Amino acid sequence: SQTIHQWPATLVQPVGSPLSLECTVEGTSNPNLYWYRQAAGRGLQLLFYSIGIDQISSEVPQNLSASRPQDRQFILSSKKLLLSDSGFYLCAFGKGGGANVLTFGAGSRLTVL
Amino acid sequence: AQKVTQAQTEISVVEKEDVTLDCVYETRDTTYYLFWYKQPPSGELVFLIRRNSFDEQNEISGRYSWNFQKSTSSFNFTITASQVVDSAVYFCALSAVRDDKIIFGKGTRLHILP
Repeated sequence: SQTIHQWPATLVQPVGSPLSLECTVEGTSNPNLYWYRQAAGRGLQLLFYSIGIDQISSEVPQNLSASRPQDRQFILSSKKLLLSDSGFYLCAFGKGGGANVLTFGAGSRLTVL
Repeated sequence: AQKVTQAQTEISVVEKEDVTLDCVYETRDTTYYLFWYKQPPSGELVFLIRRNSFDEQNEISGRYSWNFQKSTSSFNFTITASQVVDSAVYFCALSAVRDDKIIFGKGTRLHILP
């Protein structure tokens, strides 16, 4: 069966520190991969999506970056966190282009102090 | 540009009442998909329904029903005889066939009071 794993589940980091959130998918190949951020009052904001290795589209050009070192691995990073980076980060995967039904991970709650 | 608007930030109803969650979308594409997802208190989003732009038939699944109207660019979700377990945040989403980007609305937090 297809599953998605996301970690860490909870993270508390000081302003200016680096960030690495990891997401892996099992049970399927060449999935579309997505990172969303859920901040209070702002709904689900699409940060990055990837249709293949080395094919990553950015929707939020701030201090976040994403990488896809392997087909089923998606990493969200930052070199220096801001207070505004606090939120609930969700990784998701789908198959089939615009008709994607997304399967979401359990989420990573980031608090930047 | 694509946009999804869920104007209702938060709704509270008493158990067994019917409730409708509104979703209005904007897109220049003629072929697109609309979705509803549920986020229970655990945080993990769960897929509820997908609709393509050429299928305006309303759909019913148990106590859930969806009303898609292209004329008003709306894709509303109704829960009949609500139950406490329906309490969650509900998201409407939109994607175009031409790309793989899926845009979500801000969500509606639904409280079902016993």
